[in-house]
Amino acid sequence: ETGVTQTPRHLVMGMTNKKSLKCEQHLGHNAMYWYKQSAKKPLELMFVYNFKEQTENNSVPSRFSPECPNSSHLFLHLHTLQPEDSALYLCASSQEGTSGRLYTDTQYFGPGTRLTVL
Amino acid sequence: AQSVAQPEDQVNVAEGNPLTVKCTYSVSGNPYLFWYVQYPNRGLQFLLKYITGDNLVKGSYGFEAEFNKSQTSFHLKKPSALVSDSALYFCAVRDLASGAGSYQLTFGKGTKLSVIP
Repeated sequence: ETGVTQTPRHLVMGMTNKKSLKCEQHLGHNAMYWYKQSAKKPLELMFVYNFKEQTENNSVPSRFSPECPNSSHLFLHLHTLQPEDSALYLCASSQEGTSGRLYTDTQYFGPGTRLTVL
Repeated sequence: AQSVAQPEDQVNVAEGNPLTVKCTYSVSGNPYLFWYVQYPNRGLQFLLKYITGDNLVKGSYGFEAEFNKSQTSFHLKKPSALVSDSALYFCAVRDLASGAGSYQLTFGKGTKLSVIP
């Protein structure tokens, strides 16, 4: 176990549904990430939160909406998805440094949520 | 911009033989380099990393990697492969020139390692 949990592990949804993915980290980290892993493509960074503030959004469509209520929890709200959004969604966390200081910034990943959009 | 290349989609090796999974990188500054492993239907597990210091880095499960600055490579190695090492391996890089405010970790496409009994 890496100390990062994700629920649900599997999700099947229709294009008109609204669902949410949940991630929780028990490592005391201050940064959390959402990645998308599609078959035969590199991992795509979607969102980054540092100290609960979103710091990066890599041109992700608005049908994906992240939420970070505290430094231990991260959500990904899904609505009106497309079949091409079917993928493994991975959450990760790390301990990032403040200005002028660098930490080890190893990212620890959860097991992922396998999403299928029908 | 930073990038990572894993030139082999698949590597096959006999059990007990040494294995190498290749990775080359491109950054504008000094690199942080990582290797992760992914077993079927699982997330990525951290294996090892290079930040600075000794070019030979030792990690989990008997894996090691050698940082070669002149060749911009960070190949993953293991002296004797096990069937249980069969998995998908990812190399990743972060450019130190980006500073503490940038969190972009760029991953390669992955190399599938198959260890044959």
